Amino acid sequence: DVKVTQSSRYLVKRTGEKVFLECVQDMDHENMFWYRQDPGLGLRLIYFSYDVKMKEKGDIPEGYSVSREKKERFSLILESASTNQTSMYLCASSLPRGPQHFGDGTRLSIL
Amino acid sequence: AQTVTQSQPEMSVQEAETVTLSCTYDTSESDYYLFWYKQPPSRQMILVIRQEAYKQQNATENRFSVNFQKAAKSFSLKISDSQLGDAAMYFCAYRSPLTGNQFYFGTGTSLTVIP
Repeated sequence: DVKVTQSSRYLVKRTGEKVFLECVQDMDHENMFWYRQDPGLGLRLIYFSYDVKMKEKGDIPEGYSVSREKKERFSLILESASTNQTSMYLCASSLPRGPQHFGDGTRLSIL
Repeated sequence: AQTVTQSQPEMSVQEAETVTLSCTYDTSESDYYLFWYKQPPSRQMILVIRQEAYKQQNATENRFSVNFQKAAKSFSLKISDSQLGDAAMYFCAYRSPLTGNQFYFGTGTSLTVIP
């Protein structure tokens, strides 16, 4: 089975901090994704990557950046955390024409 | 961008009964993929069923089946013999092979199963 591992299930940070969310997949998938999930809004795509060192903006990239130095790892970076970035963050990976496989999610609180 | 609409924020069903969750989407593409995902309270999203647009036959996975109406751009999920473990948020998703393999998700339907 595909395993997508997010480094933390719960994280509490302070306003202005630089925050790193890590995601690792073990199935050699080309595509990786970061979403945030908020009640009533569904999943909104922040960034995705279809290859090492490649990245594409999703629907809500403002305030975020990403890094993909290795195929299995896709990191989401909050450059200067703000309270409106309090949310559930989901990482996913997939083959080019396959379904997405998700991690357990990270519930991030910015105080 | 493609849009995916789930018009039922909440649904409920009696245990052992059948329920249908609705999903419509907007696209001008002819080749695409559709998915239903389930997110139980434990939070991990898991794939329930998938459908390739070029296939006319509706996908089926055990108690889960879809009604795919390509012309109407409709992709509903039917759950038969509902079980307590089916209680979850259900998300419909569209994938375009043309726009960088992005997925587009609906806002979800929260399904309650009544014992």
